[in-house]
Amino acid sequence: QVQLQESGPGLVKPSETLSLTCTVSGGSISSYYWSWIRQPPGKGLEWIGYIYYSGSTNYNPSLKSRVTISVDTSKNQFSLKLSSVTAADTAVYYCARDLVVVVAATGGYYYYGMDVWGQGTTVTVSS
Amino acid sequence: EIVLTQSPGTLSLSPGERATLSCRASQSVSSSYLAWYQQKPGQAPRLLIYGASSRATGIPDRFSGSGSGTDFTLTISRLEPEDFAVYYCQQYGSSPRETFGQGTKVEIK
Repeated sequence: QVQLQESGPGLVKPSETLSLTCTVSGGSISSYYWSWIRQPPGKGLEWIGYIYYSGSTNYNPSLKSRVTISVDTSKNQFSLKLSSVTAADTAVYYCARDLVVVVAATGGYYYYGMDVWGQGTTVTVSS
Repeated sequence: EIVLTQSPGTLSLSPGERATLSCRASQSVSSSYLAWYQQKPGQAPRLLIYGASSRATGIPDRFSGSGSGTDFTLTISRLEPEDFAVYYCQQYGSSPRETFGQGTKVEIK
């Protein structure tokens, strides 16, 4: 079955850019939406943004000015960049498959939830 | 901006009891776009319910979801030891495109 694995530095300095990659195995990245979600220590979940395999994106307005999500279909990977980080960006970062089915005839969609998650990777922002 | 408010913050119950968790939205949410997740310590969240009431693959039938508009409920009919965890509701569609509630912790009494 489809599995996701986050990778990237566990420690990032303040004001620098956090960069993470999610590798999709056991299935294709094509035809799906892929999200990044984070969870600060002891707190709840925050959706960061998603990317469709074709490259279209949607970001949380609260982070939009600092976030870039990209996809590399040849490597079955998608990536997150978060610029100008501060201690408030310290969190466990998860990638997940966002099961959205678009109805071509109407432009509407069905939502089936985030059905596959990576194990998460801890990123600490500190000098 | 849509906000999801979950209550109670913590629910203290014994195994075998019924758990009722609430998720209230600041504006109407299509029931098609409301999901619930379970998260245990040190683990990623797990999808339980989508479309407000449809169980995800492999989810036991003691978990059920209901609701519409701004009020949604997750019910665990008889708590098993493995059900003690944090539960999150999530909406898809409104701005921000995706939002989580702050979570309800179900703890052993």
